[in-house]
Parts: sequence; C-alpha cells; structure tokens
Amino acid sequence: AQSVTQPDIHITVSEGASLELRCNYSYGATPYLFWYVQSPGQGLQLLLKYFSGDTLVQGIKGFEAEFKRSQSSFNLRKPSVHWSDAAEYFCAVGAVTGRRALTFGSGTRLQVQP
Amino acid sequence: DAGVIQSPRHEVTEMGQEVTLRCKPISGHNSLFWYRQTMMRGLELLIYFNNNVPIDDSGMPEDRFSAKMPNASFSTLKIQPSEPRDSAVYFCASRASTGGLEKLFFGSGTQLSVL
Repeated sequence: AQSVTQPDIHITVSEGASLELRCNYSYGATPYLFWYVQSPGQGLQLLLKYFSGDTLVQGIKGFEAEFKRSQSSFNLRKPSVHWSDAAEYFCAVGAVTGRRALTFGSGTRLQVQP
Repeated sequence: DAGVIQSPRHEVTEMGQEVTLRCKPISGHNSLFWYRQTMMRGLELLIYFNNNVPIDDSGMPEDRFSAKMPNASFSTLKIQPSEPRDSAVYFCASRASTGGLEKLFFGSGTQLSVL
C-alpha cells in the first residue's frame, strides 16, 4: 500500500526567506509524486509532478521539488517566499500501475510573516 | 466549463440527522473522487468511481457512509446517521479518462458541521 508522511503540520517563515517542506513516501516501486497547494476556502491546485527522469522538477509559482529515492523523499522548495504563498501544501503519491487514485499526506500549513 | 460543482457549500446539522452532499463533475470526466479533509488526518480518499462504477471504497469510514453515482453528471455522498466526528470538509474531484493521475479538478468543498 502507498502512503505519504508530511512531518511538519505547521511552518512559519519570513517573507523573502527560503522554504523547504518535507515529504516522505512509502511505495513498492518508483511512484508518481505530486505537490498540491490549497488556498483558504479553495480546492487543490497542482504545483508540480514527478514521473521519471530528472529528479529535480520545476513547478508553478517558483516552486521546485527533488526526488530522492534513497531517502524516499520528495521535498518542496522555494528560494524566496512571498506573502501570497501562505496556504496549505499537500504531497501526494500515485501508483504507476493499478489503482488510479492519489494518496495525499496530511498537509503542511505555511504561514508567512512580513 | 464551470468546474466541479459541490453543494451545499456549508451544512450544519444535528447529530443523528441524515446528510447528503452533492457533486457535479466536469462534463466528459469519467472518474469521480470523494475526499474528506480534517485537521488530524489531512485529505483522505473515501471512494472513487470510474464510469459511474465504484472502484475503491476502502476509505469509507463505516456503514453510515454511502456514495452513489447514478449517472455521469451527478454523485452523492450520504451520511446516516451523522455524528460530530463526521465534521470535516468534503471534497469532490473529477478527472478525464485521458488525463494523467494528477489531472484532478477539485470542487470548492462542503464544510460539514455536525453538532
């Protein structure tokens, strides 16, 4: 069975500071990995995805994530956070074959201080 | 396209009452998902349908929960009887058969409060 762990429930950073949100996954083979963002009162929006190839993937809004197979991790990063990045972030894993549904982590709420 | 439409946007009910949440997927999408979001457990998959047929309902908490998809343009999630621990935001999402795993389109959610 696939699972996702986001160890940080809540993170606060200052505007302009760098950001890293952690994500660890459990899956028997190479998974498909995703990061989504949820703004208050909204559904989820896809930030980026990893299927194969280059382990550093670029997404929208200046975000990037790096797949590290040895650590079963897919951490999300941004070099300089903007106040509008305050939101909840979800990491998700999907199976390469079989079950066509994503499993989400419990989310990390990001607060940005001025 | 109007996107995935969920109703009601907010629902407040008393323990023991029946609650019905509704979802209209994007036209042409043949996969539909119900997720529940809570502070403690994050976003959990309850059930998903493909071509109106339930494929995986292993996430449905218990028999009090039921979901139906009578046609390609409508799905319901029913809780009977409701309990305070069911309070959460319930999201519906849809995806086209030609879409990748990640091409989920989410509705705005139904905020359910069971008193």
